[in-house]
Amino acid sequence: TQLLEQSPQFLSIQEGENLTVYCNSSSVFSSLQWYRQEPGEGPVLLVTVVTGGEVKKLKRLTFQFGDARKDSSLHITAAQPGDTGLYLCAGNDMRFGAGTRLTVKP
Amino acid sequence: EAGVAQSPRYKIIEKRQSVAFWCNPISGHATLYWYQQILGQGPKLLIQFQNNGVVDDSQLPKDRFSAERLKGVDSTLKIQPAKLEDSAVYLCASSLVGGANIVGEQYFGPGTRLTVT
Repeated sequence: TQLLEQSPQFLSIQEGENLTVYCNSSSVFSSLQWYRQEPGEGPVLLVTVVTGGEVKKLKRLTFQFGDARKDSSLHITAAQPGDTGLYLCAGNDMRFGAGTRLTVKP
Repeated sequence: EAGVAQSPRYKIIEKRQSVAFWCNPISGHATLYWYQQILGQGPKLLIQFQNNGVVDDSQLPKDRFSAERLKGVDSTLKIQPAKLEDSAVYLCASSLVGGANIVGEQYFGPGTRLTVT
């Protein structure tokens, strides 16, 4: 089993601030996915990264896959209250991290 | 396109009782997953089906949990008998493609929130 550790566990920021959350492992993944989950709903896929060093942008969200394909980061620019949710990463073995719970205050 | 349907949305049972959850995946999706999400944790894969065959059930507590996907479409997950620690949200997901360590885009249902008292 390849374990994924996410940090921080909780993050509370003001609207307009920037933030970065991390997903780390000691194992190599062939791909990694990021999801956002809102209360009472299932996770929704944001992005899949497959190449070491890859950077993908989704509006104000920037995802990076580490060169060694062991870690990934998600950076949000100018966070908005609508970004509030649980951010989860998952490896190609469908094992999820515990998530980062983000709260963006207006 | 209709999403992944799950029922019931909520279920409260007493320990040692039995319970079953139902999932209808997106039409045409060959791969179906059941996850358990305990409060404050990420989803934990219980079982993965490719059509009606099991790809991975290594984390399924087989002494009390069972799952089937007859005809490669709908699926049911059963717990018998339930324990207090089974209290969680049970999520079903489906994807167009997938297999052992091959991840397609997964679409999740809203989940069934189980409370065992």
